[in-house]
Parts: sequence; C-alpha cells; structure tokens
Amino acid sequence: QVQLVQSGAEVKKPGASVKVSCKASGYTFTSYDINWVRQATGQGLEWMGWMNPNSGNTGYAQKFQGRVTMTRNTSISTAYMELSSLRSEDTAVYYCARNSHQLLSYWGQGTLVTVSS
Amino acid sequence: SYELTQPPSVSVSPGQTASITCSGDKLGDKYACWYQQKPGQSPVLVIYQDSKRPSGIPERFSGSNSGNTATLTISGTQAMDEADYYCQAWDSSKGVFGTGTKVTVL
Repeated sequence: QVQLVQSGAEVKKPGASVKVSCKASGYTFTSYDINWVRQATGQGLEWMGWMNPNSGNTGYAQKFQGRVTMTRNTSISTAYMELSSLRSEDTAVYYCARNSHQLLSYWGQGTLVTVSS
Repeated sequence: SYELTQPPSVSVSPGQTASITCSGDKLGDKYACWYQQKPGQSPVLVIYQDSKRPSGIPERFSGSNSGNTATLTISGTQAMDEADYYCQAWDSSKGVFGTGTKVTVL
C-alpha cells in the first residue's frame, strides 16, 4: 500500500533552516510528483510547492520563492523540503502529499516544525 | 494571486444536509476538489474533479462546480462527518486551498 512517512518534529531558532524528509513506499517513487503543504496551528492548509522526483523539476508558491528548496534522493525514494531563514510564523505542521493528476490522494503524517528562540 | 473563499463554519443536525460553498473567480472553469480533515489527522480527499468520489468515500458526499462557486454537499450527515473541509483548485500549476469550513454536527 502507498505510504508516505515523514521525519520527526523539529525545533529551530529564528534564522535557521529546517529540512523535512518524506519517504515513499508502495509505488514507483519517480512516477508521481510530491507536493508540500503546511498548516499553522488552528489555521488552514497552505500549498508550498511541488517536485517531480524523476526530473527534479520544481515549482514553488510565490510566497516561498527564495526560501524553500525541494529535492529528492531516488535511491532511497525520499523527498525533502528545506525552508530557510525561519521565523516564528513558519511554526506549523508540514505535510508531503503524492500528486496524481492534480489529486493529492496520499498524505504523510505531518511534521511539526517549531520556530522559537 | 488566486483565492478561494469558504464560510468559516456550517452547522447541521444529524441526518440533515450540509452544504459548503467555495468561491473563486471563474472557478467553474477549473476542477475543484475537497478535502476532509479531522483534528490531529492528515487531510483526506473526498471529492475530485468537481463531483467524483474516491474509492471508499460514502455516497452521501457529492459535489458540483459552476460559475464562480463549487459546492460540497453532505446528505444524511453523520456525527463522524464533523470535521474541517477545504476546497482546492489549481491555477497556473500552483495549488490553491480554500479558507476552510468547520462542519459541526449538532
């Protein structure tokens, strides 16, 4: 069965960077884009961007341009999302999701990133 | 940037029908989908391509999309349907989520 398993919670100081991983199993990793979505506590879902694991091509929401980098390691079927210059407003649960024909059908369990001095 | 607007909350009695709207400029020209999210859980796709249900989603969930508004309808609402619901569409290959609606089953 399709599974996306994300790395554990992180606590970072303002100005630091965080890298969240998303390990895929149960399907061919390079066949589907991975999207990243975040959710601040008590807030709505916010789309961050996508990555094609086959080509490495990416597309980011304008809000995150210049601060986010999405990469992958195909040998271990893992996608990564790195967010830099962290500020308190980046405190949120970060989700990866598999995109099939613009459907986010499978989601990771979420990774809580806390930014605090 | 493209925006999708939903009512913050909808209340419904058990067994009744709940309707959640999602408004965006010419939304009917795009495909809309809907996600259900319960507290502490990841979102679950409940409607895609305006009105299609993924495998395993009950028939009481239905959707439509025309003009500037997409609608998610839950017929015969059950207590288990209490959750947050988000519409979502794609605009120039960028994902956009609606503001979210909390459905309360009273």
